[in-house]
Amino acid sequence: ETGVTQSPTHLIKTRGQQVTLRCSSQSGHNTVSWYQQALGQGPQFIFQYYREEENGRGNFPPRFSGLQFPNYSSELNVNALELDDSALYLCASSLGGTRMNTGELFFGEGSRLTVL
Amino acid sequence: AQSVAQPEDQVNVAEGNPLTVKCTYSVSGNPYLFWYVQYPNRGLQFLLKYITGDNLVKGSYGFEAEFNKSQTSFHLKKPSALVSDSALYFCAVRDSSSGAGSYQLTFGKGTKLSVIP
Repeated sequence: ETGVTQSPTHLIKTRGQQVTLRCSSQSGHNTVSWYQQALGQGPQFIFQYYREEENGRGNFPPRFSGLQFPNYSSELNVNALELDDSALYLCASSLGGTRMNTGELFFGEGSRLTVL
Repeated sequence: AQSVAQPEDQVNVAEGNPLTVKCTYSVSGNPYLFWYVQYPNRGLQFLLKYITGDNLVKGSYGFEAEFNKSQTSFHLKKPSALVSDSALYFCAVRDSSSGAGSYQLTFGKGTKLSVIP
């Protein structure tokens, strides 16, 4: 059973650029969610994808967008990067994306983005 | 809105002593509660969860947590700390009455646990 994998592990961008982060979910999981973890803070929910559709979103602007593919892998796209976007971006997968699901999230090791 | 408070930024405990990491929460409905651990430059690892039933929940690596509805708390405990337990611990909550399809976890800011040899 493969776990959640994310790429790239580290990247550096400049203000105004765009970035795409990728995530492969754990085998058998159909739901992917993305979290932003700023230095010294807990993770903050960005959004969740279930069956290729966004079905939950946190307090992040529209320049944060995503996709989920038929194989349940996912991308996080951030446009017009700002300095405050520097953070660890965590992908998590789970089985079943409805509120009836009580299962835990399985996290990848994250992509660390630095915006200069 | 749901929220989590971890009142201690850091907890220091001697190896072999019991440890407690505190967590209080706020939700409008019934809570689903979780503890995760994060080692340096790593993702989060699941430790345990409370959904319903017995207030004392046992999890990985000898950790347990006690759900207290009247105090809205979910403190993490371990009877005998190991040096290898040193890490960052996060408490998280999800409101069971969240809108259909939402699975948002709200995390606390984390508590750094240092176990001293």
